[in-house]
Amino acid sequence: GNSVTQMEGPVTLSEEAFLTINCTYTATGYPSLFWYVQYPGEGLQLLLKATKADDKGSNKGFEATYRKETTSFHLEKGSVQVSDSAVYFCALMPGAGGYNKLIFGAGTRLAVHP
Amino acid sequence: DGGITQSPKYLFRKEGQNVTLSCEQNLNHDAMYWYRQDPGQGLRLIYYSQIVNDFQKGDIAEGYSVSREKKESFPLTVTSAQKNPTAFYLCASTPVSGLFNSPLHFGNGTRLTVT
Repeated sequence: GNSVTQMEGPVTLSEEAFLTINCTYTATGYPSLFWYVQYPGEGLQLLLKATKADDKGSNKGFEATYRKETTSFHLEKGSVQVSDSAVYFCALMPGAGGYNKLIFGAGTRLAVHP
Repeated sequence: DGGITQSPKYLFRKEGQNVTLSCEQNLNHDAMYWYRQDPGQGLRLIYYSQIVNDFQKGDIAEGYSVSREKKESFPLTVTSAQKNPTAFYLCASTPVSGLFNSPLHFGNGTRLTVT
């Protein structure tokens, strides 16, 4: 079946530190991969996406590369800010026939301190 | 501005009562979804609807019901049969059902507390 596994949080960093949040997936076919971010008390916002192997999604300084050989989609940012504190969800959408049904990881909470 | 509106933001109910959560979108999206979020867990799909007057069960539909009488509205009823209803509920939509890489747009959620 399809599933997503994320590193457990919380991840606590100082401002300007390098961020990596690991995400691996299991899927049949050719899924699309997503990172969503959830700020306190809010819904989820799409952060970035990649739809095929070796694609790199990027937005607001965050990047993730779709690695089919390692079934991974790790989220990275070179220099985090306090405003990046949030919960980050990795998700996959199965290939054709998945009817836009996103499958989410458990989420990783990031806390950035000044 | 287009978006998804969920109301109310906080909802309190006594055990044994049914409660309906509202979700309205003005994005002209075809498909709409309800997810449940519990602390430390990812989102789990309750119900989804790809077109008006049609909907399918997700992974955890027991104790919930939905309707889709209008394209822009997809209310969720949490019934007394739901054993553990206290959670954060998120509504989402996508522009075209069946396109497998259209990202979901989310509302800001309703936090339901049942005592």
